[in-house]
Amino acid sequence: QSVLTQPPSVSGAPGQRVTISCTGSSSNIGAGHDVHWYQQLPGTAPKLLVFGNSNRPSGVPDRFSGSKSGTSASLAITGLQAEDEADYYCQSYDNSLSGWVFGGGTKLTVL
Amino acid sequence: QLQLQESGPGLVKPSETLSLTCTVSGGSISSSSYYWGWIRQPPGKGLEWIGSIYYSGFTHYSPSLKSRVTISVDTSKNQLSLKLSSVTAADTAVYYCANIVVVVAALDPWGQGTLVTVSS
Repeated sequence: QSVLTQPPSVSGAPGQRVTISCTGSSSNIGAGHDVHWYQQLPGTAPKLLVFGNSNRPSGVPDRFSGSKSGTSASLAITGLQAEDEADYYCQSYDNSLSGWVFGGGTKLTVL
Repeated sequence: QLQLQESGPGLVKPSETLSLTCTVSGGSISSSSYYWGWIRQPPGKGLEWIGSIYYSGFTHYSPSLKSRVTISVDTSKNQLSLKLSSVTAADTAVYYCANIVVVVAALDPWGQGTLVTVSS
């Protein structure tokens, strides 16, 4: 059971918008720690998608956006494309565990 | 452009020690701007942080693995290493190393990962 809770799966048709939630607690996201998001395409290593809650590394399309509020964070993907089909993970730091924590991952299916 | 590559045995016997190396190219492992981390992913499951190290040798381990993990750096070879002792089948996973920019604390980039199977 992961410290950060994500929905196991989400889906959407090409061109649509989907959001992936990441729910934490007062010892991690709610404590003010940044949330980062990673995209893992099938059979590959994770890739940084959003850092510091809402910042995109160079090369990441602006279709991907992150936000954070209270003890939760969200990743939004607009204009869904077939190539977005992947697993998405959120990550933050937890004071109680004194370590970094990941969400359980969300599988995005493009219908 | 920073690149990381994991290497090591793909098969380890139960109760033995898993040893992996991560070779860094395109940048110095001694840079004060970076941390270095190890993360693992059991087949079909999610990501688990193992630990991280600063070039000075300061380490930070996952509480659940702390008693069995040692992470170190070899600045002369621009490598970091992972040792996990007393392994069981539950330690079977793809092991990744990753760079951590200090001011950001996000993992980027990651190595391609290496699968380690624990089996007799």
